[in-house]
Amino acid sequence: GIQVEQSPPDLILQEGANSTLRCNFSDSVNNLQWFHQNPWGQLINLFYIPSGTKQNGRLSATTVATERYSLLYISSSQTTDSGVYFCAVERRSGYSTLTFGKGTMLLVSP
Amino acid sequence: DAMVIQNPRYQVTQFGKPVTLSCSQTLNHNVMYWYQQKSSQAPKLLFHYYDKDFNNEADTPDNFQSRRPNTSFCFLDIRSPGLGDAAMYLCATSRRTSVDIQYFGAGTRLSVL
Repeated sequence: GIQVEQSPPDLILQEGANSTLRCNFSDSVNNLQWFHQNPWGQLINLFYIPSGTKQNGRLSATTVATERYSLLYISSSQTTDSGVYFCAVERRSGYSTLTFGKGTMLLVSP
Repeated sequence: DAMVIQNPRYQVTQFGKPVTLSCSQTLNHNVMYWYQQKSSQAPKLLFHYYDKDFNNEADTPDNFQSRRPNTSFCFLDIRSPGLGDAAMYLCATSRRTSVDIQYFGAGTRLSVL
Protein backbone atom coordinates (compact mmCIF):
# COMPACT_ATOMS: atom_id res chain seq x y z
CA GLY A 1 0.00 0.00 0.00
CA ILE A 2 0.90 3.65 -0.14
CA GLN A 3 3.28 4.99 2.52
CA VAL A 4 2.67 8.33 4.23
CA GLU A 5 5.34 9.96 6.35
CA GLN A 6 4.80 13.11 8.37
CA SER A 7 7.40 15.33 9.96
CA PRO A 8 8.16 16.46 12.52
CA PRO A 9 6.41 14.00 14.86
CA ASP A 10 6.21 16.62 17.62
CA LEU A 11 6.42 20.39 17.63
CA ILE A 12 6.30 22.92 20.45
CA LEU A 13 5.76 26.58 19.61
CA GLN A 14 5.31 29.82 21.38
CA GLU A 15 2.09 31.61 20.58
CA GLY A 16 2.58 33.83 17.54
CA ALA A 17 5.23 31.66 15.90
CA ASN A 18 4.96 30.18 12.42
CA SER A 19 5.42 26.52 11.50
CA THR A 20 5.58 24.16 8.56
CA LEU A 21 4.40 20.56 8.67
CA ARG A 22 5.41 18.13 5.97
CA CYS A 23 3.77 15.06 4.43
CA ASN A 24 5.63 12.76 2.05
CA PHE A 25 3.86 10.00 0.15
CA SER A 26 5.13 7.11 -1.90
CA ASP A 27 2.77 6.98 -4.88
CA SER A 28 0.63 9.17 -7.12
CA VAL A 29 -2.49 10.36 -5.36
CA ASN A 30 -5.88 11.68 -6.39
CA ASN A 31 -6.91 12.72 -2.89
CA LEU A 32 -4.93 14.39 -0.12
CA GLN A 33 -6.50 15.85 2.96
CA TRP A 34 -5.11 17.61 6.00
CA PHE A 35 -6.99 17.12 9.26
CA HIS A 36 -6.70 18.65 12.71
CA GLN A 37 -7.62 16.44 15.66
CA ASN A 38 -8.46 18.52 18.70
CA PRO A 39 -7.79 17.36 22.28
CA TRP A 40 -11.31 15.88 22.46
CA GLY A 41 -10.67 13.64 19.48
CA GLN A 42 -12.70 15.41 16.82
CA LEU A 43 -11.12 15.27 13.37
CA ILE A 44 -11.73 18.42 11.35
CA ASN A 45 -10.95 18.62 7.66
CA LEU A 46 -8.63 21.57 6.98
CA PHE A 47 -7.87 21.17 3.30
CA TYR A 48 -8.67 18.94 0.39
CA ILE A 49 -5.53 19.47 -1.70
CA PRO A 50 -4.33 16.75 -4.08
CA SER A 51 -2.36 19.45 -5.91
CA GLY A 52 -1.78 23.18 -5.86
CA THR A 53 -2.04 25.75 -3.09
CA LYS A 54 -4.92 26.80 -0.87
CA GLN A 55 -5.28 29.27 1.97
CA ASN A 56 -7.80 29.56 4.75
CA GLY A 57 -7.08 32.35 7.21
CA ARG A 58 -3.83 31.66 9.04
CA LEU A 59 -3.51 28.24 7.46
CA SER A 60 -2.32 27.41 4.00
CA ALA A 61 -1.30 24.23 2.23
CA THR A 62 0.70 23.34 -0.83
CA THR A 63 0.90 19.97 -2.56
CA VAL A 64 3.56 19.26 -5.17
CA ALA A 65 2.09 16.10 -6.63
CA THR A 66 4.99 15.44 -9.04
CA GLU A 67 7.43 15.40 -6.10
CA ARG A 68 5.01 13.56 -3.78
CA TYR A 69 4.86 15.91 -0.84
CA SER A 70 2.53 18.37 0.80
CA LEU A 71 3.17 21.19 3.26
CA LEU A 72 0.85 22.73 5.82
CA TYR A 73 1.75 26.22 6.99
CA ILE A 74 0.46 27.66 10.23
CA SER A 75 1.13 31.36 10.75
CA SER A 76 0.76 33.38 13.94
CA SER A 77 -0.05 30.22 15.90
CA GLN A 78 -2.60 30.29 18.70
CA THR A 79 -3.11 27.96 21.65
CA THR A 80 -6.26 26.66 19.94
CA ASP A 81 -4.06 25.32 17.13
CA SER A 82 -2.76 22.67 19.52
CA GLY A 83 -3.60 19.08 18.66
CA VAL A 84 -2.56 16.49 16.13
CA TYR A 85 -2.33 17.25 12.43
CA PHE A 86 -2.86 14.32 10.08
CA CYS A 87 -2.17 14.05 6.41
CA ALA A 88 -4.23 11.39 4.60
CA VAL A 89 -3.89 10.31 0.98
CA GLU A 90 -5.67 8.07 -1.48
CA ARG A 91 -3.73 6.30 -4.19
CA ARG A 92 -4.55 7.33 -7.76
CA SER A 93 -4.73 3.85 -9.29
CA GLY A 94 -7.71 1.64 -8.69
CA TYR A 95 -10.32 1.91 -5.96
CA SER A 96 -8.81 2.74 -2.62
CA THR A 97 -9.45 4.63 0.58
CA LEU A 98 -7.57 7.16 2.67
CA THR A 99 -4.30 6.15 4.29
CA PHE A 100 -3.32 8.32 7.24
CA GLY A 101 0.15 9.36 8.26
CA LYS A 102 1.14 9.08 11.93
CA GLY A 103 0.52 12.75 12.50
CA THR A 104 2.35 15.75 13.93
CA MET A 105 1.51 16.64 17.50
CA LEU A 106 1.57 20.41 17.93
CA LEU A 107 1.60 22.20 21.26
CA VAL A 108 1.29 25.98 21.24
CA SER A 109 2.13 27.54 24.56
CA PRO A 110 0.97 31.02 25.65
CA ASP B 1 -26.48 21.90 10.49
CA ALA B 2 -25.77 18.84 8.46
CA MET B 3 -23.38 16.63 10.29
CA VAL B 4 -22.13 13.21 11.36
CA ILE B 5 -23.37 12.19 14.79
CA GLN B 6 -21.96 9.39 16.90
CA ASN B 7 -23.61 7.92 19.95
CA PRO B 8 -22.69 7.46 22.64
CA ARG B 9 -19.61 9.68 23.13
CA TYR B 10 -18.32 7.34 25.83
CA GLN B 11 -19.11 3.66 26.18
CA VAL B 12 -17.98 1.28 28.87
CA THR B 13 -18.43 -2.43 28.36
CA GLN B 14 -17.27 -5.59 30.03
CA PHE B 15 -14.81 -8.04 28.60
CA GLY B 16 -16.71 -10.31 26.22
CA LYS B 17 -20.01 -8.41 26.38
CA PRO B 18 -21.29 -7.39 22.92
CA VAL B 19 -21.46 -3.68 22.26
CA THR B 20 -22.92 -1.58 19.43
CA LEU B 21 -21.81 1.89 18.43
CA SER B 22 -23.97 4.03 16.20
CA CYS B 23 -23.40 6.69 13.58
CA SER B 24 -25.92 8.82 11.74
CA GLN B 25 -25.50 11.45 9.06
CA THR B 26 -27.61 14.19 7.59
CA LEU B 27 -25.24 14.84 4.68
CA ASN B 28 -26.88 12.22 2.45
CA HIS B 29 -23.44 10.84 1.60
CA ASN B 30 -23.29 7.46 -0.07
CA VAL B 31 -20.16 6.23 1.74
CA MET B 32 -19.80 5.61 5.47
CA TYR B 33 -16.55 4.56 7.14
CA TRP B 34 -15.58 3.14 10.51
CA TYR B 35 -12.09 3.81 11.87
CA GLN B 36 -10.40 2.59 15.03
CA GLN B 37 -7.89 4.93 16.68
CA LYS B 38 -5.76 3.82 19.58
CA SER B 39 -3.88 6.20 21.81
CA SER B 40 -1.21 8.23 19.98
CA GLN B 41 -1.85 6.39 16.71
CA ALA B 42 -3.37 7.29 13.37
CA PRO B 43 -6.94 6.29 12.55
CA LYS B 44 -7.10 2.80 11.07
CA LEU B 45 -9.87 1.94 8.65
CA LEU B 46 -11.91 -1.09 9.71
CA PHE B 47 -14.48 -1.16 6.88
CA HIS B 48 -16.75 1.03 4.83
CA TYR B 49 -20.06 0.92 3.02
CA TYR B 50 -20.32 2.26 -0.50
CA ASP B 51 -24.10 2.54 -0.70
CA LYS B 52 -25.14 -0.97 0.37
CA ASP B 53 -21.87 -2.61 -0.62
CA PHE B 54 -19.78 -3.64 2.38
CA ASN B 55 -15.99 -3.39 2.05
CA ASN B 56 -13.96 -5.02 4.79
CA GLU B 57 -10.26 -4.27 5.29
CA ALA B 58 -8.16 -7.41 5.08
CA ASP B 59 -6.78 -7.11 8.61
CA THR B 60 -10.05 -6.25 10.39
CA PRO B 61 -10.75 -8.95 12.99
CA ASP B 62 -13.91 -11.03 12.61
CA ASN B 63 -14.94 -9.73 16.01
CA PHE B 64 -15.93 -6.49 14.29
CA GLN B 65 -19.10 -6.35 12.23
CA SER B 66 -21.10 -3.54 10.68
CA ARG B 67 -24.64 -2.87 9.53
CA ARG B 68 -26.07 -0.11 7.39
CA PRO B 69 -29.86 -0.37 7.42
CA ASN B 70 -30.33 2.81 5.40
CA THR B 71 -28.39 5.75 3.95
CA SER B 72 -28.41 7.69 7.20
CA PHE B 73 -27.34 5.11 9.76
CA CYS B 74 -24.41 2.80 10.23
CA PHE B 75 -23.59 0.58 13.22
CA LEU B 76 -20.39 -0.99 14.49
CA ASP B 77 -20.87 -4.22 16.41
CA ILE B 78 -18.11 -5.70 18.52
CA ARG B 79 -19.18 -9.24 19.28
CA SER B 80 -16.81 -10.08 22.11
CA PRO B 81 -14.76 -7.06 23.14
CA GLY B 82 -11.29 -7.69 24.44
CA LEU B 83 -9.05 -5.34 26.40
CA GLY B 84 -7.20 -4.58 23.16
CA ASP B 85 -10.38 -3.19 21.59
CA ALA B 86 -10.40 -0.19 23.93
CA ALA B 87 -10.01 2.74 21.57
CA MET B 88 -11.67 5.74 19.95
CA TYR B 89 -14.03 4.68 17.17
CA LEU B 90 -14.56 7.26 14.46
CA CYS B 91 -17.30 7.33 11.86
CA ALA B 92 -16.85 9.31 8.66
CA THR B 93 -18.84 9.94 5.52
CA SER B 94 -18.07 11.08 2.00
CA ARG B 95 -19.83 11.58 -1.29
CA ARG B 96 -17.27 9.68 -3.34
CA THR B 97 -17.15 12.17 -6.20
CA SER B 98 -14.14 13.73 -7.89
CA VAL B 99 -13.74 15.90 -4.77
CA ASP B 100 -13.96 13.26 -2.07
CA ILE B 101 -13.77 14.94 1.34
CA GLN B 102 -14.35 12.84 4.44
CA TYR B 103 -16.36 14.33 7.28
CA PHE B 104 -15.90 12.84 10.73
CA GLY B 105 -18.12 12.48 13.74
CA ALA B 106 -16.87 13.34 17.22
CA GLY B 107 -16.09 9.69 17.94
CA THR B 108 -17.04 7.16 20.60
CA ARG B 109 -14.40 6.33 23.19
CA LEU B 110 -14.78 2.69 24.20
CA SER B 111 -13.46 1.32 27.48
CA VAL B 112 -13.37 -2.42 28.17
CA LEU B 113 -13.30 -3.54 31.79
